[in-house]
Amino acid sequence: AQSVTQPDIHITVSEGASLELRCNYSYGATPYLFWYVQSPGQGLQLLLKYFSGDTLVQGIKGFEAEFKRSQSSFNLRKPSVHWSDAAEYFCAVGVAAGGTSYGKLTFGQGTILTVHP
Amino acid sequence: DTGVSQNPRHKITKRGQNVTFRCDPISEHNRLYWYRQTLGQGPEFLTYFQNEAQLEKSRLLSDRFSAERPKGSFSTLEIQRTEQGDSAMYLCASSFLKGTGRYTFGSGTRLTVV
Repeated sequence: AQSVTQPDIHITVSEGASLELRCNYSYGATPYLFWYVQSPGQGLQLLLKYFSGDTLVQGIKGFEAEFKRSQSSFNLRKPSVHWSDAAEYFCAVGVAAGGTSYGKLTFGQGTILTVHP
Repeated sequence: DTGVSQNPRHKITKRGQNVTFRCDPISEHNRLYWYRQTLGQGPEFLTYFQNEAQLEKSRLLSDRFSAERPKGSFSTLEIQRTEQGDSAMYLCASSFLKGTGRYTFGSGTRLTVV
């Protein structure tokens, strides 16, 4: 069965500083990997996804993530954090469901990001 | 694209009562998913439908839980004889069967069992 580990429950950074959120996954095949962001009282918004190809993927809001198969990692990065980035971030792995589509997602427990002015 | 709509947004119920939540997916989407999210945790998969067929159910979905998607449109999730441990955010998502199957999540229904 697939699993996702986000080692950091809570991270605090200063506005303008760089950010890296860690994600490790366990899955027996080529994974479909995702990062979602959730603000209080809101649904989940997709930041970026990796299916295949280039291991460095670009997402919305200036985020990027790098897939490293040898380390089973998919860490999320941003060069300069803005106060509006404060939210909870979830890494997820998707189970292949035929063709290029995926089915259910398995999420990590999330990392809460606090941004200091 | 009106997004995925979930109703109600909040529900407070007494232990032992039955509750029902509704999810209206994006109209063209074939697949519909239910997830549960408790405080401090990521969403956990409950079940999913492809059109009107319920294709998979998680072990988390006890006998007190039932989900339906009549006619492959909206879906309902019912919890019978609610327990305090059922308190959570219930999230619905929908996607296309073909292509990448990208999800669109609703804003969720927050259930509080008192």
